[in-house]
Amino acid sequence: ETGVTQSPTHLIKTRGQQVTLRCSSQSGHNTVSWYQQALGQGPQFIFQYYREEENGRGNFPPRFSGLQFPNYSSELNVNALELDDSALYLCASSLAGGSEQYFGPGTRLTVT
Amino acid sequence: QQQVKQSPQSLIVQKGGIPIINCAYENTAFDYFPWYQQFPGKGPALLIAIRPDVSEKKEGRFTISFNKSAKQFSLHIMDSQPGDSATYFCAASRVQGAQKLVFGQGTRLTINP
Repeated sequence: ETGVTQSPTHLIKTRGQQVTLRCSSQSGHNTVSWYQQALGQGPQFIFQYYREEENGRGNFPPRFSGLQFPNYSSELNVNALELDDSALYLCASSLAGGSEQYFGPGTRLTVT
Repeated sequence: QQQVKQSPQSLIVQKGGIPIINCAYENTAFDYFPWYQQFPGKGPALLIAIRPDVSEKKEGRFTISFNKSAKQFSLHIMDSQPGDSATYFCAASRVQGAQKLVFGQGTRLTINP
């Protein structure tokens, strides 16, 4: 069984740029959720994707957007990067209707 | 009403002791309460979870105690080891709809040898 994988591991961007982060869900899981974890804080829910559609969104602006592909993998896109976007971005996969979410190792984004 | 409050912020325990981490929630619609363990530079790993229909759940050295009327739940780690040193997060969500996990602020646990 393959766990959740994310790429890249680390990323440095400049304020105003755009970034795309990628996630492959655990084998058999059809739902992907994205979270932002600031240093020293708990993860905050960004949004969830199921059947290639957004299925719930947290308190994040529209410049945070996502995609889910037919193979259940997902992308998180952030436009017009701000310094406060510097964080660990976590992807979690689960089964629709199931509660257990399994996290990937995260992508550390630094915005300068 | 979406908050989950976690305490203490940090905790130091001697090897073999029983650290206890507490969480409180307000939203009575929450019906799934997991605990995650996170090591530096890693993603959170699911440890154990409980539903409101039981008051206690045990898996290995980890036990969750749940008090529905008080809207509180806690994690106990039996026979703690230095390898348990990590940050622990409680969370809550609804089973129906988008399973949006609401996390506590985290507890940094240190187990001294």
